[in-house]
Amino acid sequence: DAGITQSPRHKVTETGTPVTLRCHQTENHRYMYWYRQDPGHGLRLIHYSYGVKDTDKGEVSDGYSVSRSKTEDFLLTLESATSSQTSVYFCAISSGRGNEKLFFGSGTQLSVL
Amino acid sequence: GDSVTQMEGPVTLSEEAFLTINCTYTATGYPSLFWYVQYPGEGLQLLLKATKADDKGSNKGFEATYRKETTSFHLEKGSVQVSDSAVYFCASSNAAGNKLTFGGGTRVLVKP
Repeated sequence: DAGITQSPRHKVTETGTPVTLRCHQTENHRYMYWYRQDPGHGLRLIHYSYGVKDTDKGEVSDGYSVSRSKTEDFLLTLESATSSQTSVYFCAISSGRGNEKLFFGSGTQLSVL
Repeated sequence: GDSVTQMEGPVTLSEEAFLTINCTYTATGYPSLFWYVQYPGEGLQLLLKATKADDKGSNKGFEATYRKETTSFHLEKGSVQVSDSAVYFCASSNAAGNKLTFGGGTRVLVKP
C-alpha cells in the first residue's frame, strides 16, 4: 500500500471554527490532491498541488485553502467551517507522469454542526 | 468541461450474477479512462484502466473497453461474488494525465 496518512480520521466541529486536515505521504510523489466525497456527487476535486508551494484550484475550491511547504505534507484548511462542508475528505497522490494512477488515503470524516 | 456520468445505484445482485455498470464521458481530446473501487471504510483503489480507443482494461474478473464512438467505458463482470460489494467509480483524465474527473459512483450489493 502507498504510504499515505490522513489526520484526523474523524472530526466534529462547530460552524465558524477553523479546521485543518493533514495529508502525509512517504512516496515522494510530486502531485497531491484533496477531494471531497458526497452522496450523489461522487468525488470532487477541491485543490491540488504539483510541487512544493505550487497549488491550484479544483472544481469546488470556495471556502478552502491549501498549503504545501514540504513534499510530504499537504494541508487543507477550512477558514470558517460551514455545515455544507460536512463531508468525507480524501487525499490522493500520484507521480504526475501521464495517466499514472492515484493512490488514496483512508479519508477524514468531517462533521460541521 | 469534462464530465463523467454513470448509472445510479444501488445495484443489488445475487452471487454469480452478471454485472454491468454503464459509464459515459465527455472530454476534449482522448482521455484515459479508469474504474476505481471503494470498499466500506476505505479510500478508492484503482481497479482497471484503458489509455486509448479499443483498449480493454481487466483485473480481478472485471473488464471494460474504451469505446470512442460511443464515449463509453462500461464495467462488466461475468460472475460476481459477495466480496465484490463496493462502490465503483468511473473516471477520465485531463489532457496532461494528472487530474481525474469522477462519476457519481455506483453502489453494488451482492447477496449470497
